[in-house]
Amino acid sequence: GEDVEQSLFLSVREGDSSVINCTYTDSSSTYLYWYKQEPGAGLQLLTYIFSNMDMKQDQRLTVLLNKKDKHLSLRIADTQTGDSAIYFCAEGESTFGDGTTLTVKP
Amino acid sequence: DTAVSQTPKYLVTQMGNDKSIKCEQNLGHDTMYWYKQDSKKFLKIMFSYNNKELIINETVPNRFSPKSPDKAHLNLHINSLELGDSAVYFCASSQDWGKSTDTQYFGPGTRLTVL
Repeated sequence: GEDVEQSLFLSVREGDSSVINCTYTDSSSTYLYWYKQEPGAGLQLLTYIFSNMDMKQDQRLTVLLNKKDKHLSLRIADTQTGDSAIYFCAEGESTFGDGTTLTVKP
Repeated sequence: DTAVSQTPKYLVTQMGNDKSIKCEQNLGHDTMYWYKQDSKKFLKIMFSYNNKELIINETVPNRFSPKSPDKAHLNLHINSLELGDSAVYFCASSQDWGKSTDTQYFGPGTRLTVL
């Protein structure tokens, strides 16, 4: 069946780059998504990438997609303390990863 | 204007009670969802409705009953609440169903605590 996997925790220092990785199994997904959940808040769509793209850049965010390996990553440049949150990778309507908790230390 | 709204935001109740959580979207979307996020922050889909018809019904106890009076509303009723039902419940909506091009818009969540 469909499955999305992410590592659960990532800790970086302020100013460093963060890379959150995700693997998925369903190769038919047209779009793959990254959602951000700040403490005590709901999910917020962060960015998405079309499946025929290898890379998408949006300000400090870079999404890389390796379709052959079914691997998706989210890179946050110059990570700030406000980036501390849980980041969910998702494909399709209902398949979410378990979320990666990003902690940014000053 | 809030795109997807849920009420209440917080709900604290005793075991065995029956409670409802309401969700409304003003985006004109055809599909709505309910997700449960447990204490470990794992997000799991529970139900999905498309044009008021049930599309997804994951392995959820039948104490949980979704009701969609119209396309803009999907309410979640829970009977005989148990301690394990404590979680944050998120409502979401998307334009259509079956297209992975559709972005889901999430509500702010309802934090349910069962004592």
